[in-house]
Amino acid sequence: NAGVMQNPRHLVRRRGQEARLRCSPMKGHSHVYWYRQLPEEGLKFMVYLQKENIIDESGMPKERFSAEFPKEGPSILRIQQVVRGDSAAYFCASSASSGGASSEQFFGPGTRLTVL
Amino acid sequence: SQKIEQNSEALNIQEGKTATLTCNYTNYSPAYLQWYRQDPGRGPVFLLLIRENEKEKRKERLKVTFDTTLKQSLFHITASQPADSATYLCALDMRRAGNNRKLIWGLGTSLAVNP
Repeated sequence: NAGVMQNPRHLVRRRGQEARLRCSPMKGHSHVYWYRQLPEEGLKFMVYLQKENIIDESGMPKERFSAEFPKEGPSILRIQQVVRGDSAAYFCASSASSGGASSEQFFGPGTRLTVL
Repeated sequence: SQKIEQNSEALNIQEGKTATLTCNYTNYSPAYLQWYRQDPGRGPVFLLLIRENEKEKRKERLKVTFDTTLKQSLFHITASQPADSATYLCALDMRRAGNNRKLIWGLGTSLAVNP
C-alpha cells in the first residue's frame, strides 16, 4: 500500500510564475490536508478537503492560493504569481474516512518550493 | 487563542537514557493530542494519539501522558537509541474552538541521542 505521494519534490519558480503542487492520498483515504512549514514557524494548516469539496480553508491566503481535490486524480495546491515569501516546504497529509483530528494523519514527503 | 509550547532548546541525551519532551498548551484542553516524529527533509510520522480521558498511553519504548489540569503532555522515550534522534512535534485538535477537523502544531523539539 503506497503512502502519500507528492510531486514534484522540489520546485523552483521565478517571481510571478505559477506553482502547482500535487498530492495523491493513501489508498482508501478521502480526507486531504495541506500544510506549509517554515523553520521558525512550524507546521501551519492551510486547507482541508474531501473529494470534490473544500471543508476548511481558513489557513489559506485568500489571494493567489487555491486548492482542489477532484473526483478523479490528485489533490492540487495552486499558487499563482508566486512571491519570494511563498518559499517553503508544503506538506500534504491524508486520513481515513473517519477523518478529523481524532485520526492519525499520514504525511507525504513534501514539496520544497523555492521562488527566485 | 490556543498556543502550544514545546521545549525550544534541543535536547541532548546519552544512549540508553530516557528522553522526556514536553508539550504545554495555554487555553482550552483538546479532546485529542497527537505526537509525531519528523526527520530532516521528510514529512512528519504519526507516533501516538491520546484522548482527554486517558492519562497515559504506551507503545513499545514510547509513553505519553496527558494532564488536563497542568495543560501538559509529556512524551517519553525509554532506552533511547541514536536512531531516535529527530524532531518531535505535538499537535492538538481544535474541537473546543468549534473545529473538530483541524490540528494545530507545536514548533517541535529537536532530540539528539549520543552513542
